[in-house]
Parts: sequence; structure tokens; C-alpha cells
Amino acid sequence: SQTIHQWPATLVQPVGSPLSLECTVEGTSNPNLYWYRQAAGRGLQLLFYSVGIGQISSEVPQNLSASRPQDRQFILSSKKLLLSDSGFYLCAWSVPPTGRSTEAFFGQGTRLTVV
Amino acid sequence: AQTVTQSQPEMSVQEAETVTLSCTYDTSESDYYLFWYKQPPSRQMILVIRQEAYKQQNATENRFSVNFQKAAKSFSLKISDSQLGDAAMYFCAYRETMNYGGSQGNLIFGKGTKLSVKP
Repeated sequence: SQTIHQWPATLVQPVGSPLSLECTVEGTSNPNLYWYRQAAGRGLQLLFYSVGIGQISSEVPQNLSASRPQDRQFILSSKKLLLSDSGFYLCAWSVPPTGRSTEAFFGQGTRLTVV
Repeated sequence: AQTVTQSQPEMSVQEAETVTLSCTYDTSESDYYLFWYKQPPSRQMILVIRQEAYKQQNATENRFSVNFQKAAKSFSLKISDSQLGDAAMYFCAYRETMNYGGSQGNLIFGKGTKLSVKP
């Protein structure tokens, strides 16, 4: 069966420090991968998605970047964190685009606090 | 662009009673998927129910059912026999069908409805 792992679960980082959140998927090949951010009272905002190794699309211009060095690995990064980067970050995957899509499956999330 | 609106920031229901959460969406597409996700205090996103736009029959999953009104672009969730474990944030989500060279089928979420269940 497919599983998704996301870490760390919580992170407290000072302003200006770098960030690296990692997400890996097991049990499937060539998944679509997503990074979402959930801010209080604002639902889930899609930050990045990837349909293959090295292919990253950004939905919202910001202080963050994403990379996909391997088929089932998705990394969210920042060189210098801002206070506004605080939030709950969720990684998700879905089946590849084969004509009919299904739901996305989510990791357990990372609560990031920038101080 | 597609949008999803949940007009009820908070709802409350008595245990064993029925509650309906509202969701409307805006799209020019005719083929798409709709979902309800549940996010309990653990913050794990859990799929509750899905609806395929080409199917007229409303989806049901045990105590959860939807009222899908395609023309009205409405997708409400009904929870019957509410249980304490149903207390959570509920998110409505929309997704186009994916196709090569076109949409990647990204999920678009509403802002959520916080459901409280009173014992």
C-alpha cells in the first residue's frame, strides 16, 4: 500500500534561518506531489506541485522553493525564513495523470513557527 | 479560475443529530471531482467522501452523504447520527480531471467549516 512520510512534525526556527522540509512517498511510482500551506482561517493554499523529477510549478510567488531530486521525494526549502512563513505545511501525492484523477493523500504535516 | 466557498466558518450539532455543511464552487468545466476532507485536531487530512461530476447519483459513505447539485454548483455534506469523533475542520475541495498537456488536477480548497459536536 502507499504511504507518505513528512518530517519534521514541528519546527521552530529564527527569522533569517534556512528551512528544509522533506516528504517521501512509498508504494507508488511517478506520483504528482504537492506542498500546501495552511494558515489559520485561510484553508489550504497550494504552494508547489510536481509531475516528475526536476519539474516544479509554483502557484504563489514567495520566499519558498521546492525541489524533487528523486521520483518520490519532495523538498520544501527557504534560504531565509520570514515571520510570515509560519504555518502548517502539508505534503500530498496523487496518482499520475492517466485521464481520471482521484483524491490527494496527505502527510501528517509540519508545524513551522518562525520566531 | 476555480473557487470553492464554504460560507459557514463554524457549525455545531448535538450528538446523534444530523448536520449539513455547505459548499459552493465556481467552474466552467463540465468534468471534475469534488471532495470533502476532515481534519481532526491531529491535523491529519482524511478523505471523507468523493463525488464525480459526471455521476448524477449522490455519493454516500456510511453516515456521510452529499447533496450534489451540478447546475447550482453546490456540494453539501450531510452527517447523520453525529458522533463526538466527528468534531473537526471540514474542507470542501474541487479538482479538475487531469489530462496531458493541460490541467494537473490540483486540489482547490475552501476555507473550511469547524464542526463541534455537543454530548
